[in-house]
Amino acid sequence: AQTVTQSQPEMSVQEAETVTLSCTYDTSESDYYLFWYKQPPSRQMILVIRQEAYKQQNATENRFSVNFQKAAKSFSLKISDSQLGDAAMYFCAYRSALGGYNKLIFGAGTRLAVHP
Amino acid sequence: DVKVTQSSRYLVKRTGEKVFLECVQDMDHENMFWYRQDPGLGLRLIYFSYDVKMKEKGDIPEGYSVSREKKERFSLILESASTNQTSMYLCASSFLTGYEQYFGPGTRLTVT
Repeated sequence: AQTVTQSQPEMSVQEAETVTLSCTYDTSESDYYLFWYKQPPSRQMILVIRQEAYKQQNATENRFSVNFQKAAKSFSLKISDSQLGDAAMYFCAYRSALGGYNKLIFGAGTRLAVHP
Repeated sequence: DVKVTQSSRYLVKRTGEKVFLECVQDMDHENMFWYRQDPGLGLRLIYFSYDVKMKEKGDIPEGYSVSREKKERFSLILESASTNQTSMYLCASSFLTGYEQYFGPGTRLTVT
């Protein structure tokens, strides 16, 4: 069975600085998708970024980028120029490319605090 | 924009009560999901549905059931609520398998 591990329960960063959130996963599959979701306090969870395992190029969305290391089964999220609005719970998630449904497997989450 | 709504943000129920959590999406999505979110455990899938009246168990279905009579609505039912079901419940939907999941705001359920 696949598992996702986020080893940092809490992180903090100064406004305008850069922070990296870690995620590792375990799978025997070769084709899958990885995601980072953001859950702001009392607000809905939204997708930040996704990565297809077959793509070697790391995904980027504005200030958010990932470092995808397939052999190491590592998928970290880098937030550049951190803003107060980046404060949230961040979840790493895995989805198999096989199978008939859209099941996501989540890590435990990392709570990010942004200090002015 | 996709909108996923849940009937209550906060709910307090007593042990043994039957509890209904409702989720509605407005984008004609085929797939709908119920997750439970607990500190230190992330989100865990309870049940999902890929079509009207169709359902599949997720990782933690014990103590829960679901109903999907209409495409836009997916209900989570706690037949006899217990204190260990105190949690945050999140609903999600996606167009089809492989498409992005959109989440509702969550229902924080407390069972006393």
